[in-house]
Amino acid sequence: GDSVTQMEGPVTLSEEAFLTINCTYTATGYPSLFWYVQYPGEGLQLLLKATKADDKGSNKGFEATYRKETTSFHLEKGSVQVSDSAVYFCALLNSGYSTLTFGKGTMLLVSP
Amino acid sequence: GAGVSQTPSNKVTEKGKYVELRCDPISGHTALYWYRQSLGQGPEFLIYFQGTGAADDSGLPNDRFFAVRPEGSVSTLKIQRTERGDSAVYLCASSPTGAGSYEQYFGPGTRLTVT
Repeated sequence: GDSVTQMEGPVTLSEEAFLTINCTYTATGYPSLFWYVQYPGEGLQLLLKATKADDKGSNKGFEATYRKETTSFHLEKGSVQVSDSAVYFCALLNSGYSTLTFGKGTMLLVSP
Repeated sequence: GAGVSQTPSNKVTEKGKYVELRCDPISGHTALYWYRQSLGQGPEFLIYFQGTGAADDSGLPNDRFFAVRPEGSVSTLKIQRTERGDSAVYLCASSPTGAGSYEQYFGPGTRLTVT
C-alpha cells in the first residue's frame, strides 16, 4: 500500500537558519504530494502541494519539489522564523482516490 | 468564512461507554472525511462521505466504529464500547468535491481520552 516516510524530529534550529525536512514516499500510480502544517493548538493547514513530477510547490517561503526518480518531496526554507515552529506532515493522494496518506510528522522548533 | 468545526474539543469517557463526535463541515462542501491521529503519528483515514453516503469506510478499525451524515452536511462519528486504545485525536476534514479534489480543510479535532 501507499506510505510516506519523514525524518524524525524534533528539528531544532536558530532563527534565520536553513531548513530541510526529508520526505520519501511509496505509491502505485502517480500521486499528488502535499505538506501540511499544524501550529500549536490549531488544525492541520495545507502548506503547499505538487501534482506531478518536477512540479515545485511553494508558499510562505517554503518550497518542495516533486522528484519521481527519487520518490521524494523534501521541504525547504531558506531562513526560518520563530513563528515557523510547528509540526509538519508530508502526505500523498493517490490518483483515483480521495483519502490522504500521511507521514508521522516532524516537529520543528525555532529559537530566537 | 467559517471553517470546519468539531465538538466537543475534548472528551473524557470511561472504558465501555458510548461516545459521539460531531463535525460541521464548511458550508457547501460535499465531501467529508474522518481521520484518527494517535500520539506521535500522522492522521490515519477512517471514513469518507460523498454527500449522504459513505463512499469509503475501509479505514474504520472494527464494527464498534460507525459514522453518519444523514443530510449531507453535519457528520457524527459514533464509537461503541470504547477501549483505551481508542484514545486519540479525531480529525474531520471537508472538501468541495470528492475524488480528484486536492485540498482538504481540517477542523481542530476532538481529543478523546478513554480511562
